[in-house]
Amino acid sequence: DVKVTQSSRYLVKRTGEKVFLECVQDMDHENMFWYRQDPGLGLRLIYFSYDVKMKEKGDIPEGYSVSREKKERFSLILESASTNQTSMYLCASSPQGSNSYEQYFGPGTRLTVT
Amino acid sequence: EDQVTQSPEALRLQEGESSSLNCSYTVSGLRGLFWYRQDPGKGPEFLFTLYSAGEEKEKERLKATLTKKESFLHITAPKPEDSATYLCAVHPYNQGGKLIFGQGTELSVKP
Repeated sequence: DVKVTQSSRYLVKRTGEKVFLECVQDMDHENMFWYRQDPGLGLRLIYFSYDVKMKEKGDIPEGYSVSREKKERFSLILESASTNQTSMYLCASSPQGSNSYEQYFGPGTRLTVT
Repeated sequence: EDQVTQSPEALRLQEGESSSLNCSYTVSGLRGLFWYRQDPGKGPEFLFTLYSAGEEKEKERLKATLTKKESFLHITAPKPEDSATYLCAVHPYNQGGKLIFGQGTELSVKP
């Protein structure tokens, strides 16, 4: 079974803090993704990566950065957290080079910025 | 522009009352279509992949079908534990590994 884990289920941070969200997958997938999910807005792609040390901007990258130093780990960084970054953050991974690109999601991190 | 639209936004059923959820899509070329189930406060759980028109996949009370413009998720004799939000996503040929998600249908099944 594919397993994607995220470092925290719930996180409360103060405005201006630097926040790290960690994601680890155990299926040797090349692709990894970070989304945020907000009521009425659906899933929005923040950043994604097709390989180690590679990153691509998604639809809403402003205020975020990412790091992928190892194949199994993809980190999302909020350089200076703001209240409008309060959201559910979801990490996903998918294989590459086959016909199946279904993404497997982690349990999510509910981040509150006060 | 690639687009996915799900309907209805919300659906309330009585236990045992069969129905269907719709996912309409517009893409330049479809590589695959995916259905997910999401429970409140949790990450989406992968259900099915469909690749070509006419294809069908089944899992317990769920059956997914695909045409050239839409997909249906049929729910037969649903139970309260089927209550969740169901998400549809498409994988266009020109998007690398990126998927385009619909807004979801929130299904509620009452006993």
